[in-house]
Amino acid sequence: QVQLVESGGGVVQRGGSLRLSCAASGFTFNAYDMHWVRQAPGKGLEWVTFIRYDGSNKYYADAVKGRFTISRDNSKDTLFLQMDSLRAEDTAVYYCAKDLTLNSWGRGTLVTVSS
Amino acid sequence: DIVMTQSPDSLAVSLGERATINCKSSQSVLYSSNNKNYLAWFQQKPGQPPNLLIYWASTRESGVPDRFTGSGSGTDFTLTISSLQAEDVAVYYCQQYYSTPFSFGQGTKLEIK
Repeated sequence: QVQLVESGGGVVQRGGSLRLSCAASGFTFNAYDMHWVRQAPGKGLEWVTFIRYDGSNKYYADAVKGRFTISRDNSKDTLFLQMDSLRAEDTAVYYCAKDLTLNSWGRGTLVTVSS
Repeated sequence: DIVMTQSPDSLAVSLGERATINCKSSQSVLYSSNNKNYLAWFQQKPGQPPNLLIYWASTRESGVPDRFTGSGSGTDFTLTISSLQAEDVAVYYCQQYYSTPFSFGQGTKLEIK
C-alpha cells in the first residue's frame, strides 16, 4: 500500500532554514508527480509546490517562490522541501501528496517559525 | 491565478438527509483538448490528513462510498452527499489542478443537525 512519511519539521527562528523529507513506499516513486501542501493551525489547505515525476519541472506558490525549493531523489524514493528565509506565516503542518490528483497524503510534519 | 470559492462556509444537515456543497472557480478548469475538468474534492476529518474523494470533477476515488457524487463543468461544481452518515462530519475542500498555482477552496465545515 502507498505510504508517505514526512520528517524534518520542528521549531526554527525567523529567517532560519529547514529541510523536510518525504519517504515514499508502496508505489513506483519515479513514475509520479509530487506536491507539498501546508495547513496553518486552524486554517485551510494551501498548495505550496509541485514537481514532475522526473524533476524536469517545478512550480511554486507566490508566497514561497524564491525561498522554498522542491527536489526529489528517485534513487532513494524521497521528496524534499528546502525552506529558507522562514517567516512566521510559514508556520504550518506540511504534507507531501502523490500524483497530480493528490490521491495519497502523508500525515504531515509540523513546522513552527518563532520570532 | 485561479481563485476557488466554496459555499456555504458551514452546513448542518440531519442524518440521512442530502448535503450539497458548491465550488466556483474564477476561470474555467475544463481542458478542451481532453474534455476533462481539472477539479478534485477532498474530505478532512479532525487530526487527519485530507483524503481524496472525487477527481476529474466526477470520478469517485476507489473505496469512496457511492453516496458521494461530484458534478459540474467549467466554473461551477457541486459535491453531493446523498444520505448523510455520522462519519461524514468533516471539512470538505475543492481544488483545481488545471494551472499553477494549484489552489484550494476555503473549505466547508459539515456538521450534523
